[in-house]
Amino acid sequence: DVKVTQSSRYLVKRTGEKVFLECVQDMDHENMFWYRQDPGLGLRLIYFSYDVKMKEKGDIPEGYSVSREKKERFSLILESASTNQTSMYLCASSSPPLTTGNEQFFGPGTRLTVL
Amino acid sequence: QKEVEQNSGPLSVPEGAIASLNCTYSDRGSQSFFWYRQYSGKSPELIMFIYSNGDKEDGRFTAQLNKASQYVSLLIRDSQPSDSATYLCAGGGGGYQKVTFGIGTKLQVIP
Repeated sequence: DVKVTQSSRYLVKRTGEKVFLECVQDMDHENMFWYRQDPGLGLRLIYFSYDVKMKEKGDIPEGYSVSREKKERFSLILESASTNQTSMYLCASSSPPLTTGNEQFFGPGTRLTVL
Repeated sequence: QKEVEQNSGPLSVPEGAIASLNCTYSDRGSQSFFWYRQYSGKSPELIMFIYSNGDKEDGRFTAQLNKASQYVSLLIRDSQPSDSATYLCAGGGGGYQKVTFGIGTKLQVIP
């Protein structure tokens, strides 16, 4: 059974803290993605990676960074958490090329609250 | 900014009816389109993918793509209460590895 796992389901942090969200996939996928999902705004892409140590900015990268040191693991880092980063964070993975219909498999999500 | 637009709903249909969900996109370079279903509190899961103009059928689901008019639709025949969920339309391709998601349409199937 294919699986994308995320390190926490719920996380509460304080403003200014450094936050690490971890994502691991066991499908040997090249592509990995980080999204945030907010009511009325849908799924928005923060960063994605198409290979180890490779990354590209998505639509809303400000305030975030990522790390991909191993193929199966993709980390999202909030350098200094702010209240407007309170959201549901979803990780996904897929194998290229996307145009052939290879679906993105999503993790269960991490609901982050920044106080 | 590439955009994928959907009506957020809710769209309410009686059990057994056809549910019609629509989506428009702005990027003419988009080549692949996806419909994901997301139950409340759960992650999205792929239900349909379409690449060519026309219709694609899979069980009770039919995806339709019209590239000239830049719209994608999803028809659900014989709607069931278990189909109640938010349906996300996504578009991408044209050499890109990523897709853009719409905000999703909430579907309610009334028993």
